[in-house]
Amino acid sequence: RKEVEQDPGPFNVPEGATVAFNCTYSNSASQSFFWYRQDCRKEPKLLMSVYSSGNEDGRFTAQLNRASQYISLLIRDSKLSDSATYLCVVSGGYQKVTFGIGTKLQVIP
Amino acid sequence: GAGVSQSPSNKVTEKGKDVELRCDPISGHTALYWYRQSLGQGLEFLIYFQGNSAPDKSGLPSDRFSAERTGGSVSTLTIQRTQQEDSAVYLCASSFTGYSYEQYFGPGTRLTVT
Repeated sequence: RKEVEQDPGPFNVPEGATVAFNCTYSNSASQSFFWYRQDCRKEPKLLMSVYSSGNEDGRFTAQLNRASQYISLLIRDSKLSDSATYLCVVSGGYQKVTFGIGTKLQVIP
Repeated sequence: GAGVSQSPSNKVTEKGKDVELRCDPISGHTALYWYRQSLGQGLEFLIYFQGNSAPDKSGLPSDRFSAERTGGSVSTLTIQRTQQEDSAVYLCASSFTGYSYEQYFGPGTRLTVT
């Protein structure tokens, strides 16, 4: 089993739709979780950290489910500019950080 | 402030030649990472430096790959006797401290081995 698994997609959604991605991780000792965004031929950039209590930033909501070992990212009211690859990242303490392969989102007009 | 910078932005080299890739992390960041990303693939961890600790080299794919970090700042990734399968984008990232903090990436070096 991979350390971090994501559905590579692509997810093709119309503008204004709500879309959700999940990411599962195998190491129950993982402590830190992030979502990064990577535009085509660009470097990854931090989108948001994922806290145990969940967190929201505008149209974006991230949640952590430790019991089932997954994190999620919800995007509401999708914009064309949201089209990108969303990378799930897991790390913890002295465990090296692991990036998922990414989920590609394409928002269509 | 200045972000992570990498040089060169593009490098084309012949098979068998050595290459050096440079990374300047964000000032004050003690942790530095190297990754590579092949076309359409995820990020592959290569090596991690944290302060004065011994680097985590567990991701280096072969002994042709090495990296050093001088003075806790600038890092150089060296690939000896390059092969065509080494062609990829090499990304450097830095963070305030260890693994638990968000990473800031440089723009990458696109390496093409002909």
